[in-house]
Amino acid sequence: AQSVTQPDIHITVSEGASLELRCNYSYGATPYLFWYVQSPGQGLQLLLKYFSGDTLVQGIKGFEAEFKRSQSSFNLRKPSVHWSDAAEYFCAVGAGGSYIPTFGRGTSLIVHP
Amino acid sequence: NAGVTQTPKFQVLKTGQSMTLQCAQDMNHEYMSWYRQDPGMGLRLIHYSVGAGITDQGEVPNGYNVSRSTTEDFPLRLLSAAPSQTSVYFCASSPRRATEAFFGQGTRLTVV
Repeated sequence: AQSVTQPDIHITVSEGASLELRCNYSYGATPYLFWYVQSPGQGLQLLLKYFSGDTLVQGIKGFEAEFKRSQSSFNLRKPSVHWSDAAEYFCAVGAGGSYIPTFGRGTSLIVHP
Repeated sequence: NAGVTQTPKFQVLKTGQSMTLQCAQDMNHEYMSWYRQDPGMGLRLIHYSVGAGITDQGEVPNGYNVSRSTTEDFPLRLLSAAPSQTSVYFCASSPRRATEAFFGQGTRLTVV
């Protein structure tokens, strides 16, 4: 069965600084990979997804993620963080043996002015 | 353009009461799922369905029942509410196996 780990529970950055949120997965073949964002009191919104092809994926709100097979990682990046990016971020992995994606525990992003 | 609709948005129950959380999607998705979200625990899968008439258990199914009589609806039933079921519940649907999920806005449930 696949699994996903988000090593950082909280990340604090200053507005305008760059951001990288880490995600590691466990699965034998190439999985489907996703990043979601959850603003306070809201549901989850898909930021970006990777199925195959180009390993650098562009998403909404200026986010991107890079799939690195050798490191089993799918880290989320943004070059310049805005205060409105403060939210909970979830990485998820879908694999051929499962019907439903598996989610990580989430990383809470705090943005200082 | 409704997507996934959950009702109610908020609910307070007394211990031992039963209730049904409603979930409906208008995207003709085959796959639907229920999660609960608790602080520090992320999203944990309760039950899921791969089509009308087919359901299966997820990671934390105890105390919950589901059924899927139509493609559109996937209600979650709490049989006898317990304080440990205080949580935020999310319903999601997916167009294909293991692909991206579309989430509802959630139901915040408090059991006293």
